[in-house]
Amino acid sequence: EIVMTQSPATLSASPGERATLSCRASQSISSNLAWYQQKPGQAPRLLIYGASTRATGIPARFSGSGSGTEFTLTISSLQSEDFAVYYCQHYNIWPLTFGGGTKVEIK
Amino acid sequence: EVQLLQSGGGLVQPGGSLRLSCEASGFTFSSYAMGWVRQAPGKGLEWVSSLSGSGGSTYYADSVKGRFTISRDNSKNTLYLQMNSLRAEDTAVYYCGKVAQWTYFDYWGQGTLVTVSS
Repeated sequence: EIVMTQSPATLSASPGERATLSCRASQSISSNLAWYQQKPGQAPRLLIYGASTRATGIPARFSGSGSGTEFTLTISSLQSEDFAVYYCQHYNIWPLTFGGGTKVEIK
Repeated sequence: EVQLLQSGGGLVQPGGSLRLSCEASGFTFSSYAMGWVRQAPGKGLEWVSSLSGSGGSTYYADSVKGRFTISRDNSKNTLYLQMNSLRAEDTAVYYCGKVAQWTYFDYWGQGTLVTVSS
């Protein structure tokens, strides 16, 4: 099983600041990585797939990068609606696995 | 517009059974793989199971293999998760999701809570 490790667990930032979230895979997953956003009481929402392709309707302030084992989700300028928990997920082989999540909270 | 409407869930005793349903609309259901993901209270996301558009290929997490069965009825645009021999550790919100080409979940249902407790 591929283990996905996200860091930091919690990121405190102010609106307008840049946020950088990391996701590491225990073995190479090429670019087979997705990022999701989840707000309290809501289902997750797909943000990024293929490590760097934004899903339909996702604002340009969200960007993804990386390949192999190291991946990054960047939010260029945090908006109030971006404070949430973010998960990465690989889809390279079965079983699919998610990272433990990064909570982006208001500083 | 893609919509996934979940039903089922509730309180069940350890060792009991429950079936979750997920009715899809807004896309050609039979053309897409579907799956289930769960989230224990206050915890992260855990993939549970996926199956192909035809239903002929299925995959399960080790934690549910042999106890849960994923299936679909393409004539009813509905996905199911039959959960047997339920344990306390199965307590979670269960989400159904549309899968893009055996990869990521591009659309999600609203979630349904399953509580396993005596």
